[in-house]
Amino acid sequence: AQKVTQAQTEISVVEKEDVTLDCVYETRDTTYYLFWYKQPPSGELVFLIRRNSFDEQNEISGRYSWNFQKSTSSFNFTITASQVVDSAVYFCALRTGANNLFFGTGTRLTVIP
Amino acid sequence: KAGVTQTPRYLIKTRGQQVTLSCSPISGHRSVSWYQQTPGQGLQFLFEYFSETQRNKGNFPGRFSGRQFSNSRSEMNVSTLELGDSALYLCASSGGLTQETQYFGPGTRLLVL
Repeated sequence: AQKVTQAQTEISVVEKEDVTLDCVYETRDTTYYLFWYKQPPSGELVFLIRRNSFDEQNEISGRYSWNFQKSTSSFNFTITASQVVDSAVYFCALRTGANNLFFGTGTRLTVIP
Repeated sequence: KAGVTQTPRYLIKTRGQQVTLSCSPISGHRSVSWYQQTPGQGLQFLFEYFSETQRNKGNFPGRFSGRQFSNSRSEMNVSTLELGDSALYLCASSGGLTQETQYFGPGTRLLVL
């Protein structure tokens, strides 16, 4: 069975602080894909990043960075120097084979100006 | 490329009615998936269509159905609406070189009274 856990329900930070969103996944498949999506108040899920199970390289994109560790089944997401526009709900998701996405329960991030 | 589009964006229905939601995928994408998002259950997979065939199905009652047309556009139908069907319905498309990644539309907010 597949499972994605986002233990942090809500996080509040002051603008310019760094923040890390945690994601832990479970799967018995050896090939899988991990994703992060951002959902602003408008409702649309915006794709941020995809990671393949065979690629453990961390990635940095501007103020965003992702830390993928198979040993701990974690795929954490860090926002550096947070901004008010980063306020949203962030979802971690898992996809195995040709199956659908399994989503975590999301983390609501509020950046206070 | 234009993104995934969904119509209508908002819908109000009463119990017992039926509803049809429409989704147009990104040009060239042949896979369309549907998800239901509610505060209580989070994001749940409904079904996936590929080349006009249902390829995968989530754990929803038979009142929820869908189809895909030859141009990859998809519709989902919910019959005999219940109050619990009130939700944000999200459509996602995938295909091409990044077929593992699903790109989401803005969603249809359905309110059942």
